[in-house]
Parts: sequence; C-alpha cells; structure tokens
Amino acid sequence: AQSVTQLDSQVPVFEEAPVELRCNYSSSVSVYLFWYVQYPNQGLQLLLKYLSGSTLVKGINGFEAEFNKSQTSFHLRKPSVHISDTAEYFCAVTTQGGSEKLVFGKGTKLTVNP
Amino acid sequence: GAGVSQTPSNKVTEKGKYVELRCDPISGHTALYWYRQSLGQGPEFLIYFQGTGAADDSGLPNDRFFAVRPEGSVSTLKIQRTERGDSAVYLCASSLGTGPTDTQYFGPGTRLTVL
Repeated sequence: AQSVTQLDSQVPVFEEAPVELRCNYSSSVSVYLFWYVQYPNQGLQLLLKYLSGSTLVKGINGFEAEFNKSQTSFHLRKPSVHISDTAEYFCAVTTQGGSEKLVFGKGTKLTVNP
Repeated sequence: GAGVSQTPSNKVTEKGKYVELRCDPISGHTALYWYRQSLGQGPEFLIYFQGTGAADDSGLPNDRFFAVRPEGSVSTLKIQRTERGDSAVYLCASSLGTGPTDTQYFGPGTRLTVL
C-alpha cells in the first residue's frame, strides 16, 4: 500500500518570500503524484500533477514541483508568495495500473503574512 | 459550467440515526468518488464508481456505509446507525474518465456532525 507524508503541518511565511512545502511518499510500485489546494470554505482544486517525463512540473498560480524518485519526494515550491496563497495544501499519490483512488497526506497549512 | 455539487452542506444528526448525503457530479463525468476528511487529516478514500457500478469500495469502513449511483450520474452515500466517530466532511469528486490524466474535480463537501 502507498502512503504520503507531509513533513510540515503548518508553514508561516511573509508575503513575497519563497516557500517549499515538503512531500514524501512510500510505494512498492510506480506512482503518479499530485498537489491539491483547499482555500477556506472551498473544495479541493488541482494545482499540478506528475505523470511521466520531465521531473519538474509547473502548475497554476506560479507553483511548481519536482519529482525525485531516489528520494521519493515531490516538494512544492513557489518563488514569491502572495497573501492569496494562504490555504491548505495536500500532496496525493495514485499507483500506476492500480485503482484510481487518491491517497492523500495530512496537509500543510500555508499562512502568508503581510 | 457547473461544478460538483453536494447536498446538504451541513448535516447534524443524533447517534443511531440514518443519513443520506447526495452528490451531483459534473455533467458527462463517468467516474465518481467519495472521500471522508476528518479534522486535521487529509481526505481518505471511501468508494468510487465507474458508471453505475462500484469499481472499488475498499475504503468503506464497515457495513454501515453504503453508496449507490443507480443511473450513472447522481450518487448517494448512506450511513446507517451513525456514530460520533462518523463526524467528518464527506467529499465527492468526479472525473471525465478514469486514469491519471483525468483530473478529479471536488465538490465543497458535506459536513456531518453526529451528536
């Protein structure tokens, strides 16, 4: 079975600072990787996903993530955050050739302060 | 177009009661998923449908939980003899098809509180 670990439950940063949200996964088979964002009182929204090919994936709102197979990581980064990026971020995996269900981490609450 | 909708947005019930939670997927989406999100946790998979049939129900915690999708569109999650531990936000998602290239679009959720 696969699992996802998000190492930081809360990340406070100042506006315009860079941010990295960490995600590590465990799986005995190859995986697909996702980052979702949940704004207050809204549903989950896909930020980006890694399926194959280039290990650097660009998503919406200036976010990007890098797949590192040897470290089983998929960290999310943004070079300069805005107040509006305040939200909860979830890393998720699904196995190649397996069920389509997503397995999520516990989430990282990003708070951007002025 | 309209996204995934879920009703009710909030449901308060008493221990032992029966509840039904409804999900309206995006029109034309063949796959529909149910997840449960407890406080401080990420969403946890419950069941998914491909068309009318449950393709994977491995996440249902016990036989008090049941879900249907009789016409391949709207789905209802049914919980019998509710317990306080069932309190959570129940999320529904739909996708055009199955497979990693088909993005799962999530609804806003139903917050269930069992007193």
